[in-house]
Amino acid sequence: DAGITQSPRHKVTETGTPVTLRCHQTENHRYMYWYRQDPGHGLRLIHYSYGVKDTDKGEVSDGYSVSRSKTEDFLLTLESATSSQTSVYFCAISAGTSVGYEQYFGPGTRLTVT
Amino acid sequence: EDQVTQSPEALRLQEGESSSLNCSYTVSGLRGLFWYRQDPGKGPEFLFTLYSAGEEKEKERLKATLTKKESFLHITAPKPEDSATYLCAVPPRGGATNKLIFGTGTLLAVQP
Repeated sequence: DAGITQSPRHKVTETGTPVTLRCHQTENHRYMYWYRQDPGHGLRLIHYSYGVKDTDKGEVSDGYSVSRSKTEDFLLTLESATSSQTSVYFCAISAGTSVGYEQYFGPGTRLTVT
Repeated sequence: EDQVTQSPEALRLQEGESSSLNCSYTVSGLRGLFWYRQDPGKGPEFLFTLYSAGEEKEKERLKATLTKKESFLHITAPKPEDSATYLCAVPPRGGATNKLIFGTGTLLAVQP
């Protein structure tokens, strides 16, 4: 998994509770991404980071926030989880942004909001 | 709207039965196309990047090709271990090249 770990790997939480997912990389890559994967929708970008404390929104950012205080860690927070946020969440990293820099994915976190 | 469509949604093959998966896109001025493999319960694994029409890349039993409107992933004499979901992705028109648009994938099952 290209030196990427995600924690927790599985989580069940109740509607309205805050949830934080962690992505940790050992590659020292500048760019980190959070995606969600749902049946019928494929992978969709939530947020990405282009450096420490530098982040940008993706396609489906509503209801999510991110933080990056260290190069190796990228956190995804659901401030108040809803059932529509039940999904599998993947972190990815890349060394650059041009097409020549492919993205490498972590193992994923399966989140269930009841 | 930029779109990526993969077909078929699912494909069942016998071991050794060659076939092709399709990835079509509506993005004009394509700047590249990525293929990934995803095993159940795991993250996508990078396979290929194609940059321009006419380009081909190979890896073991897989060969990816690119035209101006679509890409094909050809699987020659597949084995059961080739069973996985295959995803393609493209950068959006005019947008950041790292904000990829993914297709929903083709689920390939190769039976012994």
